[in-house]
Amino acid sequence: DAGITQSPRHKVTETGTPVTLRCHQTENHRYMYWYRQDPGHGLRLIHYSYGVKDTDKGEVSDGYSVSRSKTEDFLLTLESATSSQTSVYFCAISGQNYGYTFGSGTRLTVV
Amino acid sequence: AQSVTQPDIHITVSEGASLELRCNYSYGATPYLFWYVQSPGQGLQLLLKYFSGDTLVQGIKGFEAEFKRSQSSFNLRKPSVHWSDAAEYFCGLVAGGTSYGKLTFGQGTILTVHP
Repeated sequence: DAGITQSPRHKVTETGTPVTLRCHQTENHRYMYWYRQDPGHGLRLIHYSYGVKDTDKGEVSDGYSVSRSKTEDFLLTLESATSSQTSVYFCAISGQNYGYTFGSGTRLTVV
Repeated sequence: AQSVTQPDIHITVSEGASLELRCNYSYGATPYLFWYVQSPGQGLQLLLKYFSGDTLVQGIKGFEAEFKRSQSSFNLRKPSVHWSDAAEYFCGLVAGGTSYGKLTFGQGTILTVHP
């Protein structure tokens, strides 16, 4: 979607290395979310943000941290990547009336 | 805590046949409910959403869904399926009245359409 971009789109990394995924929005929305998608589990919420420097944990937050220093950017960091974190990661934003918009996703492979 | 269940992991229908995808939820108060579609390798696209009012909701691409509070369900329907409808479908719920609007998804239903 034009209002939200994720980078990189694909990444292969080694076990134990740090990885940062970026979500950038141009909609000036207050709320931003990181989800991971795995077969049979749908999308599960990792972390979310309700404003600059305001973040909180979702249901699968272990091994992940986030930061939001500007309204438009929401970073997801894997401090030490593990194979169980191989997944497709989606960022989402929401504005008024719960109008969620999802990014195109980042496919992360940890080898 | 809220939860969403999509009982059918995979559904196969013939082109032109009718379709119903099931979604059940667990939440003690008024939910906000959504259906999204995801084509292979793509992000999620909103089909329709229900907040209040008329329990039959019309969406894009000819889809509709009906909210049934007594059954805790929000099933998605389409009268005649097209081959381009083949995708994965996700039902989602937001706790009504909350500020942060965390969207909880079901496990997804993969739709295959036979010619």
